[in-house]
Formats: sequence, C-alpha cells, structure tokens
Amino acid sequence: GAVVSQHPSWVICKSGTSVKIECRSLDFQATTMFWYRQFPKQSLMLMATSNEGSKATYEQGVEKDKFLINHASLTLSTLTVTSAHPEDSSFYICSARFGRLNYGYTFGSGTRLTVV
Amino acid sequence: QKEVEQNSGPLSVPEGAIASLNCTYSDRVSQSFFWYRQYSGKSPELIMSIYSNGDKEDGRFTAQLNKASQYVSLLIRDSQPSDSATYLCAERVAGNQFYFGTGTSLTVIP
Repeated sequence: GAVVSQHPSWVICKSGTSVKIECRSLDFQATTMFWYRQFPKQSLMLMATSNEGSKATYEQGVEKDKFLINHASLTLSTLTVTSAHPEDSSFYICSARFGRLNYGYTFGSGTRLTVV
Repeated sequence: QKEVEQNSGPLSVPEGAIASLNCTYSDRVSQSFFWYRQYSGKSPELIMSIYSNGDKEDGRFTAQLNKASQYVSLLIRDSQPSDSATYLCAERVAGNQFYFGTGTSLTVIP
C-alpha cells in the first residue's frame, strides 16, 4: 500500500516552455503532498508543501510564481515549472504522508527534468 | 530548515561486515526519524522509521535513537553489494515538517 505514482519520469523541454509533473496517491488519500528537488550528488531539498484545497506553502527562496502547485483533490497534486531555464534542470520528487499516529512518507518515482 | 547532519562518506565496507551510518540533529522537538535508501537516479525508498529511544530491528537493519545525545544511527548487518547506495536520514518535527540530511554514500565491496 501507500503508493504514489509520479509522471512523467523523464522530460526534456526547451527553455521558456512549461512542464507539468503529476503525482497521484493510488491507494490512499494524501491530504498533504511535499515537493522536493534534488541536484546531482546533493540531498533532497524541500520546495513546497501542498495541502488539498488550499494554497501551497513554499520554502524560503522558492519562487511561487515559477513553481505552480495545484492540489485540487485528495489523490492528485501537480507541479508546473513555468518558463523553464537550464538551471531548473533537476530531479523533482513528490512525497505524501501515509498512516495516522506514527505516520511515514512515501515517495513518487521522481521526474528528471532537462531544460535545453 | 532544521539541521540534520550526516557524514557524507563515502563509506566502504567489505561484504559481510557491519555498516554503521550516523545522523545527528539539532532540533530538540524532533518527533521521529526515518532512514531512506536512494540508488543513483532513483527516488528514495523507506527502510525504517524510529520514534522511541533505543533500538529497532528489521531483518538486517537496526535503527538506534538516542534523544538525549540527539543522534540516530542505522546498522546494516551482513552487508551485501546490493546495499551500495546513498542513505538518507530524515527527521519529522512538529507541524508536519520533514527534513533530510545530505546522505551518506555506502559502497559494499565484494
């Protein structure tokens, strides 16, 4: 159980275009979804926390107008990278909380974005 | 972000040995800790979680938490080459915030 499906797994786009990444919780309801970015040989960096039905909370230094997050349902959250630039090339991973008392977090499979 | 510190390694151990990975944290209100394994180019996968002081064992893995000293460790017994990966320590603090350490690279030598 507690599976998060993330798509696409790999995307190449041109500078200036936008890319949408989807994360779906398959067998549970994810009221909260987390979006991370990971550059090569670095750790996961939290970008934003997405709550169903409300605005996302962004970490310091993350541009909310560039990284649009939508969490319209309990099973779907999307991250749209707008006007992508080569420096946005990274590995983007979503994560959702599962369980109640001693809960944990399950990750999507990640999306490798390359902006050319 | 809260500080979770790990020795980045790389850590090399021979096959069959015990690998010891350590993580320290600075936030005294940290509630629980998680160990994830991440293969290159892949998403992290949960190995273990620990919430209480002491040891927690699951197969070849043992997580140890010492809240007084603010460290959490992961022991891997009978290390296998397939255990070679980056191991991430993560803490959950009050308010549903979740932060990762920088990861420790482990290589198990056949």
